Order: sequence, then structure tokens, then C-alpha cells
Amino acid sequence: AQTVTQSQPEMSVQEAETVTLSCTYDTSESDYYLFWYKQPPSRQMILVIRQEAYKQQNATENRFSVNFQKAAKSFSLKISDSQLGDAAMYFCAYRSPPLGNKLVFGAGTILRVKS
Amino acid sequence: GAVVSQHPSRVICKSGTSVKIECRSLDFQATTMFWYRQFPKQSLMLMATSNEGSKATYEQGVEKDKFLINHASLTLSTLTVTSAHPEDSSFYICSAQEGAANEKLFFGSGTQLSVL
Repeated sequence: AQTVTQSQPEMSVQEAETVTLSCTYDTSESDYYLFWYKQPPSRQMILVIRQEAYKQQNATENRFSVNFQKAAKSFSLKISDSQLGDAAMYFCAYRSPPLGNKLVFGAGTILRVKS
Repeated sequence: GAVVSQHPSRVICKSGTSVKIECRSLDFQATTMFWYRQFPKQSLMLMATSNEGSKATYEQGVEKDKFLINHASLTLSTLTVTSAHPEDSSFYICSAQEGAANEKLFFGSGTQLSVL
């Protein structure tokens, strides 16, 4: 079974600084998808960024980018120019084909942003 | 983006009663829906997967008779917590997949269930 590990229960970053959240996963599949979701205090799950395993190029979405290391099974999220609104719980998630398969979540990392 | 509407957002009920939670895809057809449970400051735990017109597939340890899932149409799935007890108090979230070839899932806003 696939597993997703987030080893940082909590992280803090100063406003305008950069922070990296770690994620590793275990799978025997070669084709899969990886995601980072944000859950703010409202508890609404918000997709931050996604990566297809067959793509070598790291995904980027504005201030958010990933470092995808397929051989190492690592998928870290970098948040640049951190803003107060980035404070939330962040979940790393894995999904494998076929696309009816479930999304497997890591334990989450609480990100605090200091002003 | 696609919108998933989940209701109610919060419900308080007495022990022994049943509670129904609805999850609707507003502008797309959801071939597959997933129901998750989340305890405070913890991750989302999958309860069951439902495909339209089929019986739901439950994760190990989830009681089928207690958590009834119905996915009767491509836009609506319901989770009914039957004979609720205080230990069922939790945050329940649905997510929906648009079509059969979309890797993204869209989440409802969640339901906080409190059983007294």
C-alpha cells in the first residue's frame, strides 16, 4: 500500500521569507500524481499544486513550487515570499491510476507565518 | 473551478439519532465521490469510495451499517450516520472526481458533526 510521510508537524516562517515543507512517499508504481493541499482555519481543502510523475519538470504555481525527486520519492513544497494568508495546515497527497483510486494523505504540517 | 457543495456545515444531534450529510457537484458530473473523516489537527482518513449507481466500497474498519453512503446520481452523494454516538463526532468531508479521466479531486467545505 502506498504511504505518504510528512515529518514536520509544525513549521514557522517570517513574513516575506521562504519555507520548504517536506514530503516523502512509498510506492511501487511508476505512474502517479502528487499533490499539495492547503487547509486554512475554514477547513476548506484547497489544491495548491500538483505534479505528474512522468514529468521531470517541477511544477510551479506563482509563489509555490515543488522539488520532485522521483528516485528518492521526495516531493517538497517551497513557498516563496510567505504571506500571512499562507498560514494553514498543508497536506501532501498521492494518487495512482486508475483514476478511481483514492487520494492518500500525509499527516500534515501546520505552517505558522510570523509578521 | 468545479464546485462541490456540502450541507449542512454544522450539525448537533442527540445520541441515537441519524444524520444525513449531502454532497453535490454543482457544475460537473461526479463519477466517483470519496468520503473522509478528520479529527482535530489530524489528517483526512478515507471512509469510503462511491461510484454512481454502485454500492460504496468501504475502508477497513469502517462500519457499513453505521455509515450509509448513497450515490444515486452523478451530482449527489449522501452520507448517513445512523444511530449516532458521541464517538462519531468529527469533521466529515466529501470530495468528487469530475469524469473518469481527471486526476484532480474537488472538496466540499465539510460538516462538523457533534453528537451529544
